[in-house]
Amino acid sequence: AQSVTQPDIHITVSEGASLELRCNYSYGATPYLFWYVQSPGQGLQLLLKYFSGDTLVQGIKGFEAEFKRSQSSFNLRKPSVHWSDAAEYFCAVAPNNNAGNMLTFGGGTRLMVKP
Amino acid sequence: NAGVTQTPKFRVLKTGQSMTLLCAQDMNHEYMYWYRQDPGMGLRLIHYSVGEGTTAKGEVPDGYNVSRLKKQNFLLGLESAAPSQTSVYFCASSSGPHRHFGDGTRLSIL
Repeated sequence: AQSVTQPDIHITVSEGASLELRCNYSYGATPYLFWYVQSPGQGLQLLLKYFSGDTLVQGIKGFEAEFKRSQSSFNLRKPSVHWSDAAEYFCAVAPNNNAGNMLTFGGGTRLMVKP
Repeated sequence: NAGVTQTPKFRVLKTGQSMTLLCAQDMNHEYMYWYRQDPGMGLRLIHYSVGEGTTAKGEVPDGYNVSRLKKQNFLLGLESAAPSQTSVYFCASSSGPHRHFGDGTRLSIL
């Protein structure tokens, strides 16, 4: 079975600073990979996804993520953080067989942004 | 664009009471899911459905039941609520790997 680890439970960055959120997964083959963002009191919103091809994927709100097969990682990055980016971020993995039922989430990373 | 709508948004129950959470989606998705979210544990799948009239157990199904009588609706039932079921519940739908989420139901069991 697949699993996802987000090593950082909390991260605090200053507004304007760069950001990297870590995600490591365990799966026997190259999976589908996702990053979701959750603002307080809201559901999860998809930031970006990787299915195949270019290992650097661009998402909404200026986020990008890079798939590194050798490290089983899919880290999320943003060059300059805005106060509105404060939220909880979840990495998720699904088998690459397009099945709709096996999405596994990491425990989440809560991002705080200092003015 | 309603997407996925969950009702109610908040509820407080006493131990042993029952209730039903309703999820409705307007995207004609085949797949629907119920998750619970607890601090530090991400989202854990309770039950899911791959189409009208079908249901299946997820990672943490005990104490919950579900029904999918109509394609657009997915109901989550708690027959006898327990304090361990205090959580935030999310419904989602999909036509593939990516999920579309509702805004959640915050449920407290006293």
